[in-house]
Amino acid sequence: ETGVTQTPRHLVMGMTNKKSLKCEQHLGHNAMYWYKQSAKKPLELMFVYNFKEQTENNSVPSRFSPECPNSSHLFLHLHTLQPEDSALYLCASSQETGDNEQFFGPGTRLTVL
Amino acid sequence: GEDVEQSLFLSVREGDSSVINCTYTDSSSTYLYWYKQEPGAGLQLLTYIFSNMDMKQDQRLTVLLNKKDKHLSLRIADTQTGDSAIYFCAESIAGGYQKVTFGTGTKLQVIP
Repeated sequence: ETGVTQTPRHLVMGMTNKKSLKCEQHLGHNAMYWYKQSAKKPLELMFVYNFKEQTENNSVPSRFSPECPNSSHLFLHLHTLQPEDSALYLCASSQETGDNEQFFGPGTRLTVL
Repeated sequence: GEDVEQSLFLSVREGDSSVINCTYTDSSSTYLYWYKQEPGAGLQLLTYIFSNMDMKQDQRLTVLLNKKDKHLSLRIADTQTGDSAIYFCAESIAGGYQKVTFGTGTKLQVIP
C-alpha cells in the first residue's frame, strides 16, 4: 500500500468511550501531523511529530492524546470526547517539517454522540 | 496570528474559467499553496508559489500573487466536472520549522 492511510474511515462513539485513530505512511517521511477539519472552519493543526518527537501541541484539549511509536505510525487516542469534537481528522506526513509538501490521508470521519 | 480567508462556495459551468480567491494576513508568509480535496479523500497539493513570484502557471492552473494586497488566486482554465472539489489556500513562513496555516476551503461546483 502506498501513501498515507488512515483507519477507521468512519467512527461513531459515545462521550464515555475510548477509541484510537491510526495513521500509517509508506513514504519514508520523518514528520507526521494531525489536523482537525470542521465544516466552514479553517483546517486546524493539532499535533506535529518530527522523528517521533512531538514538536507542536496546538493547545489541544487533553482528551486528545497522540502517540508516535515510530516515524511511520501515528495514533490519536480519544477519551471522554464532546459532541463538538465531531469532525474529519486528517493525518499528513512530510519528509521533514520544513518541506513544502504535506501528503494527506483520506481522514477519519468522527461522530461523537 | 496568521489568518487565511476564502469564500466558501463557487459555481461555474463546464468549459468556463474558475477563479478562486484567497487573502492572508501575515506579511511574513514565504510560501503560498493551493491544495485540492476531492470527496472522501485527503488534501492533495496542487501547486505552490514563493512570495517573490507574481505568477506561476502549470498547464490549466495559473496562480497569481499580489503581495501588496496579500491576495492569492487560483485560475483553472477550461474547468471540467472532475475539477469539482474543495480548494484550500494555505500559507507558511519558511524556517527551521514550518507551520502551514490553511483557509476554510472553497467548494467548487462545476455544472455540466
